[in-house]
Amino acid sequence: NAGVTQTPKFQVLKTGQSMTLQCAQDMNHNSMYWYRQDPGMGLRLIYYSASEGTTDKGEVPNGYNVSRLNKREFSLRLESAAPSQTSVYFCASSGRGFGTGELFFGEGSRLTVL
Amino acid sequence: AQSVAQPEDQVNVAEGNPLTVKCTYSVSGNPYLFWYVQYPNRGLQFLLKYITGDNLVKGSYGFEAEFNKSQTSFHLKKPSALVSDSALYFCAVRDMDTGRRALTFGSGTRLQVQP
Repeated sequence: NAGVTQTPKFQVLKTGQSMTLQCAQDMNHNSMYWYRQDPGMGLRLIYYSASEGTTDKGEVPNGYNVSRLNKREFSLRLESAAPSQTSVYFCASSGRGFGTGELFFGEGSRLTVL
Repeated sequence: AQSVAQPEDQVNVAEGNPLTVKCTYSVSGNPYLFWYVQYPNRGLQFLLKYITGDNLVKGSYGFEAEFNKSQTSFHLKKPSALVSDSALYFCAVRDMDTGRRALTFGSGTRLQVQP
């Protein structure tokens, strides 16, 4: 039972390059999320998708785009990477939205922008 | 706006002693409250949640948390700490009375249990 799978686990980019972080869940969850984790700041919500076909901005959406490709997959794209986007990125999913159900997290993707 | 404060960056406790990791929250309505644990180079794992009902919530690995509405707190506790409990702990909140479907996380508290 894989749960939430993120790829790649590590990536180094140069400023201005683009890349896509992939996320897939096999729990038939409706909702999916992208967070970034920075030291001393906890986790901050970038974007989320309450259900297939919908996406919404979180706390820190600038510089990112997302696609909910189908119920299983939710990708995060950096169009023009900046050093401020150096972070660990986590994808998560939940069965019935945030409120009543816990989130299930992937292992994280560590991104460095030079 | 909803927010969470974890006032301690690190908590040190000896193995076998009780532990407490503090969390206070701010929401305009009624809260859903969560605790998560993160081990090195891993994602966050759910420990327990408070939705409604009994103020003392029991969760995984012997952890429990007490919801205190008057003090707007949701402290994580364990009667007897283990070295294996050493990890990063996050408190999170959602305001259940708003339409905002987002969890807000605290900055995290590192728990160090000494043998």
